[in-house]
Amino acid sequence: AQSVTQPDIHITVSEGASLELRCNYSYGATPYLFWYVQSPGQGLQLLLKYFSGDTLVQGIKGFEAEFKRSQSSFNLRKPSVHWSDAAEYFCAVGGDEGAQKLVFGQGTRLTINP
Amino acid sequence: DAGITQSPRHKVTETGTPVTLRCHQTENHRYMYWYRQDPGHGLRLIHYSYGVKDTDKGEVSDGYSVSRSKTEDFLLTLESATSSQTSVYFCASLGGVGGGYTFGSGTRLTVV
Repeated sequence: AQSVTQPDIHITVSEGASLELRCNYSYGATPYLFWYVQSPGQGLQLLLKYFSGDTLVQGIKGFEAEFKRSQSSFNLRKPSVHWSDAAEYFCAVGGDEGAQKLVFGQGTRLTINP
Repeated sequence: DAGITQSPRHKVTETGTPVTLRCHQTENHRYMYWYRQDPGHGLRLIHYSYGVKDTDKGEVSDGYSVSRSKTEDFLLTLESATSSQTSVYFCASLGGVGGGYTFGSGTRLTVV
């Protein structure tokens, strides 16, 4: 069964600084990988996804993520964070079989210092 | 422009009572899912559906049942609510392979 680990429960960065959120997955085949963002009291919004092809994928709000098969990782990055990026971020893994179930990581809460 | 709505948004109920949460989507998506979100656990799959009347269990299905009589509606029922079912419940839908889920805004359920 697939699994996802987000090693960092909480990260604090200063506004304007760069950001990297870590995600490691376990999956027996080629994974479908996703990053979602959740603002307080809201549902989850898709930031970006990877299925195949170019291992560096661009998403919304200036985020990008890089798939590294050798490291089973799919880390999320942003060159310069804004106060509005404060939220919780979830990595998820799935595959193309059956009912497309996704398994989510525990989430990383991002705090932005002014 | 919400393609997926959940009702109610908030509910407080007593231990032992049945509770039904509703998810309604207007995207004609085939797949629908119920997750619960708890601190430290991320989102965990309760039940899912791959078509009308076709449902199956997720990893935390005990104490929950679902029904899907129409493409657009997916109901989650807590047969006899317990305090351990206090959580935020999210519904999601998926149109096809690789599309990424569309999430509802969630239902905050408190069992007292």
